[in-house]
Amino acid sequence: GIQVEQSPPDLILQEGANSTLRCNFSDSVNNLQWFHQNPWGQLINLFYIPSGTKQNGRLSATTVATERYSLLYISSSQTTDSGVYFCAVVGYDYKLSFGAGTTVTVRA
Amino acid sequence: SAVISQKPSRDICQRGTSLTIQCQVDSQVTMMFWYRQQPGQSLTLIATANQGSEATYESGFVIDKFPISRPNLTFSTLTVSNMSPEDSSIYLCSVEVGTSGSVQYFGPGTRLTVT
Repeated sequence: GIQVEQSPPDLILQEGANSTLRCNFSDSVNNLQWFHQNPWGQLINLFYIPSGTKQNGRLSATTVATERYSLLYISSSQTTDSGVYFCAVVGYDYKLSFGAGTTVTVRA
Repeated sequence: SAVISQKPSRDICQRGTSLTIQCQVDSQVTMMFWYRQQPGQSLTLIATANQGSEATYESGFVIDKFPISRPNLTFSTLTVSNMSPEDSSIYLCSVEVGTSGSVQYFGPGTRLTVT
């Protein structure tokens, strides 16, 4: 199946800082989603972004499908941004494959 | 989008017993999925729950251990059978919404601890 690699695995930020999370995938994709898993385990949809750029408040994402990567930007981070960020893609098998995630800790 | 609920939200079970997890969606959906998230790990697809037919299981997951029901387009159950401590995980259901560019939405999860 399709391989999804996320970097960095861990990220520690001071409140107010900006950061970039990266997702590389090994093959063409039909769908790419970014999720935030909060400390209670709930998986929250951030973006559906198989290509192009989207913004939602302090978060934005860009996917360059031809180069097989996506970036998630967090600006002016807040403690509520802490948690695990997952990138997931749907490839030729039409199944959602998850990366290992990036654990973000924002310190006050 | 879709609003998904799961019951129970968490449980602590004895080894050798079984637990059935329920997943309810607020609208009719064709595709429902069950995932497992072991402690500190990413999500792994267990099976796709098809209405009116048997579930389709991924490699490493079998029907005897994880029987699934899908009686209608808004509801599904996953049973974790003959549990062992290795089954301690978060179990999540998800649904696929949309025709052009399907998006998956996830339920809040069921946190299972097996002692």
